[in-house]
Amino acid sequence: DGGITQSPKYLFRKEGQNVTLSCEQNLNHDAMYWYRQDPGQGLRLIYYSQIVNDFQKGDIAEGYSVSREKKESFPLTVTSAQKNPTAFYLCASSTKGLAGSMGTQYFGPGTRLTVL
Amino acid sequence: RKEVEQDPGPFNVPEGATVAFNCTYSNSASQSFFWYRQDCRKEPKLLMSVYSSGNEDGRFTAQLNRASQYISLLIRDSKLSDSATYLCVVNIASGGYNKLIFGAGTRLAVHP
Repeated sequence: DGGITQSPKYLFRKEGQNVTLSCEQNLNHDAMYWYRQDPGQGLRLIYYSQIVNDFQKGDIAEGYSVSREKKESFPLTVTSAQKNPTAFYLCASSTKGLAGSMGTQYFGPGTRLTVL
Repeated sequence: RKEVEQDPGPFNVPEGATVAFNCTYSNSASQSFFWYRQDCRKEPKLLMSVYSSGNEDGRFTAQLNRASQYISLLIRDSKLSDSATYLCVVNIASGGYNKLIFGAGTRLAVHP
């Protein structure tokens, strides 16, 4: 089956620990994204990558880091510097559309991170 | 002011009802528009794109008014399975790339 997988579905960590969330896609999409969703708020962009070995900060990148060593994989590390890490984290991917426009974004099932 | 604003609801409607959701956006350079559906504790899924001429997909109709910077979604003959949160999404060009701006969503609850 083609799609985006995220693991784990639920994650609990102690305050002060770094944690890495996995995101893998087999859709052959060039672009990948990480969002955070908090109750009553829209999704907010953390980081994005348009091509392997390249990534840019989104609107709320502080306290997070990413890597894009393979086209299929875009892991997100939530560091101890992130002040309010408890949230629902969503990974997405898309093709590049014509003239630089974005193709439809498809989302993974998400990871719920709770920091105790 | 939020870049994309939606009425949070909830909209509680009986099966068979017609319900309309509205959304306004602040960036006049917005290029494309979408409605996503998100079920409780799940990921968002694309419901439909929104075109200037308006578009329909079965019981769902989307409209765009660029002059008023306003998007709408109409659901006819509501089903229990339509219960979800509906996200208004706007694509804008920012810093050399296209990015999606998500509204906080409008919650719909359809009851028997």
